[in-house]
Amino acid sequence: AQTVTQSQPEMSVQEAETVTLSCTYDTSESDYYLFWYKQPPSRQMILVIRQEAYKQQNATENRFSVNFQKAAKSFSLKISDSQLGDAAMYFCAYRSRDDKIIFGKGTRLHILP
Amino acid sequence: GAVVSQHPSWVICKSGTSVKIECRSLDFQATTMFWYRQFPKQSLMLMATSNEGSKATYEQGVEKDKFLINHASLTLSTLTVTSAHPEDSSFYICSASKGTTEAFFGQGTRLTVV
Repeated sequence: AQTVTQSQPEMSVQEAETVTLSCTYDTSESDYYLFWYKQPPSRQMILVIRQEAYKQQNATENRFSVNFQKAAKSFSLKISDSQLGDAAMYFCAYRSRDDKIIFGKGTRLHILP
Repeated sequence: GAVVSQHPSWVICKSGTSVKIECRSLDFQATTMFWYRQFPKQSLMLMATSNEGSKATYEQGVEKDKFLINHASLTLSTLTVTSAHPEDSSFYICSASKGTTEAFFGQGTRLTVV
């Protein structure tokens, strides 16, 4: 079975600085999708970024980018120029061929003004 | 982006009664819908996956008779918590997918059983 591991329960970063959230996963599949979702205090899940496993190029979305290392099964999220609105719970997620979307335990990100 | 609406946002029910939660994809046809449960300060736990017109696939440990899922159309899925008890109190979240890529989430439903 696939698993997603986020080893950092909490992280803090100074406003305007850069922070990297870690995620590793375990799978025997070769074709899958990886995601980072953000859950602010409202608890609405918001898609931050996605990565197709067959694409070698790392995905980017404005201030958000990923470092996808397929062989190492690593999928980290980098947030540049951190803003107060980035404070939230961040979940790494894996979508398998059988359609399940599995989440890691999450990393709570604090932004220090 | 795609919009998923979940209703109600919160509900309080008496122990022993049933409560239904609706999940609608407003601007796309959802081939797959997912139901999650989230305990305070924890991650999302997948309860079941449903495809339109077919029976839901439940995760191990999730009681099918307690959590009834109906995916009646490509835009609507419902979760009915039957004979609810206080231990069923939780935050329930649905998500919908229009393909094999990302899923979009509803706002969640906070269920309190008294």
